[in-house]
Amino acid sequence: DAGVTQSPTHLIKTRGQQVTLRCSPKSGHDTVSWYQQALGQGPQFIFQYYEEEERQRGNFPDRFSGHQFPNYSSELNVNALLLGDSALYLCASSLRSAQYFGPGTRLTVT
Amino acid sequence: GDSVTQMEGPVTLSEEAFLTINCTYTATGYPSLFWYVQYPGEGLQLLLKATKADDKGSNKGFEATYRKETTSFHLEKGSVQVSDSAVYFCALSVTDSSYKLIFGSGTRLLVRP
Repeated sequence: DAGVTQSPTHLIKTRGQQVTLRCSPKSGHDTVSWYQQALGQGPQFIFQYYEEEERQRGNFPDRFSGHQFPNYSSELNVNALLLGDSALYLCASSLRSAQYFGPGTRLTVT
Repeated sequence: GDSVTQMEGPVTLSEEAFLTINCTYTATGYPSLFWYVQYPGEGLQLLLKATKADDKGSNKGFEATYRKETTSFHLEKGSVQVSDSAVYFCALSVTDSSYKLIFGSGTRLLVRP
């Protein structure tokens, strides 16, 4: 049984560019959440998708957007990248309360 | 709002020593509580969880008990190994339908041979 997968593993972008990160949930899970983890800090909730809709959103600007597909996979899009967007982006899938995380995408903005 | 506070690290122990990492929380309602572990360069792995007061979560020799009266969920292990070196995160899941996680800032554990 494959766990949560994310792609790409690493990404380097320039300020002002746009980026798309992808996530495939664990088999049987219908909910995908995205978190941002800055270096040396705990993950911060960005938003959650359920039934192809954004169910809840954390304190992140509109530059952060997402999508969930009928097969429950999800994308995170970030527009107009800032240096401060450099972080590890984690995707977590769940069926109810326990969330299972993928390995993350390391985004570096230069 | 809901929050989690963990003891600051790093925590440095010798192999076979006893481990305690303190975690306290503030929450509305009755959240579920979790410990996650993050090894260098990797994502988060669920270590253990507890869903109601007095529940004890356990896994791989690690234990934590949900203490409602002290709003705590301290992580313990009787005998640590070098392979336990990692960053440990305490988290709670909010009691709305999203179950989103709120994390502490993490505690780095270094175990020396």
